[in-house]
Amino acid sequence: GENVEQHPSTLSVQEGDSAVIKCTYSDSASNYFPWYKQELGKRPQLIIDIRSNVGEKKDQRIAVTLNKTAKHFSLHITETQPEDSAVYFCAARTGGTSYGKLTFGQGTILTVHP
Amino acid sequence: GAGVSQSPRYKVAKRGQDVALRCDPISGHVSLFWYQQALGQGPEFLTYFQNEAQLDKSGLPSDRFFAERPEGSVSTLKIQRTQQEDSAVYLCASTQRTSPTGEQYFGPGTRLTVT
Repeated sequence: GENVEQHPSTLSVQEGDSAVIKCTYSDSASNYFPWYKQELGKRPQLIIDIRSNVGEKKDQRIAVTLNKTAKHFSLHITETQPEDSAVYFCAARTGGTSYGKLTFGQGTILTVHP
Repeated sequence: GAGVSQSPRYKVAKRGQDVALRCDPISGHVSLFWYQQALGQGPEFLTYFQNEAQLDKSGLPSDRFFAERPEGSVSTLKIQRTQQEDSAVYLCASTQRTSPTGEQYFGPGTRLTVT
């Protein structure tokens, strides 16, 4: 089955700096890659996603890039703010369908210091 | 509109007890997923429903785990004879049929602690 590896496990940055989180996946049939933000004790919230026919997507301070050949995708957060502090999970949808299950990475604890 | 809701939010069970966790998906969402999230880990897939049909249960860790969605809306995840390793947050997610990306909306989860 699909396997998603996520790095780093923890990331500490100063407010205003950029943060980059990287994920690799194993199943070349995976076609959808969402990123979720999860604050302590809260539900995962989708922050950005990308489909396999797109190389890059941007939404204000957040961007995601996808390299299908290398089977890796990355989350980029610019001008970080303390409220960006949370656990971030990447995921890959397997099965080649629109409603397939998500396989998640292990998570990255991002801390933004004021 | 209302998001995905789950109940109870917290459940403490003695080892060996049976528990039932409920998920109310967003109204009209056809697909429903259950995930298990151990402390400090990412969610792991348990099972998937499309309407009332359970199409994938490959992630259920043992035959003590059972899920149902009899009328294609509310779903219940049942764990029989709970063990300490069952302690985790159980997340439910639903997907709108017409979403081209199949974006999954998560509920707040049920934190199960087995003592």
